[in-house]
Amino acid sequence: GNSVTQMEGPVTLSEEAFLTINCTYTATGYPSLFWYVQYPGEGLQLLLKATKADDKGSNKGFEATYRKETTSFHLEKGSVQVSDSAVYFCALMGNQGGKLIFGQGTELSVKP
Amino acid sequence: SAVISQKPSRDICQRGTSLTIQCQVDSQVTMMFWYRQQPGQSLTLIATANQGSEATYESGFVIDKFPISRPNLTFSTLTVSNMSPEDSSIYLCSVGTSGGRTYNEQFFGPGTRLTVL
Repeated sequence: GNSVTQMEGPVTLSEEAFLTINCTYTATGYPSLFWYVQYPGEGLQLLLKATKADDKGSNKGFEATYRKETTSFHLEKGSVQVSDSAVYFCALMGNQGGKLIFGQGTELSVKP
Repeated sequence: SAVISQKPSRDICQRGTSLTIQCQVDSQVTMMFWYRQQPGQSLTLIATANQGSEATYESGFVIDKFPISRPNLTFSTLTVSNMSPEDSSIYLCSVGTSGGRTYNEQFFGPGTRLTVL
């Protein structure tokens, strides 16, 4: 079945450091891929998405490229801020739509 | 994007009781979903709730434990029945948005943080 694997956290970075959170997936067909973010004490927010191979999703300085050849959707940001401290979830939706399958989440902590 | 609210935002309940969680959306949506996020864990889909039909439950979740109602296109409820401490989780509803023939985005409510003593 479909599954998502994320790099384990927590990840601790200094402000302005480069961020990569790895995400790989297993799926049949052509899933859509997502990154969600959960700030402390808040609900889940959609950060970015990509719906087909080679698509790049971007938002708030974060980017992720849908790589079908490596079945990956790594999240990157060139310069993180303290306000980026949160838990990041990679997720996929199968090509029939419907439910999301989430990775285990990666906690990011950015220190000033 | 849809604006989603949930009630209650949090609750502390006694073992053996039941809690009904409400999810309200500011627009009509066909697909609504209920997820559970256990402490320190990822999200797991409990069931899909479509208006006018019975909810579809994922493996490991049953209607007797998690009955769901979907009376119209803007509202749904999830009941956690006969609770035990293992039911302590955040329960989130989400709605699917259509990008053509299939639903390719989901937006989440703020969640209901449930603690069972």
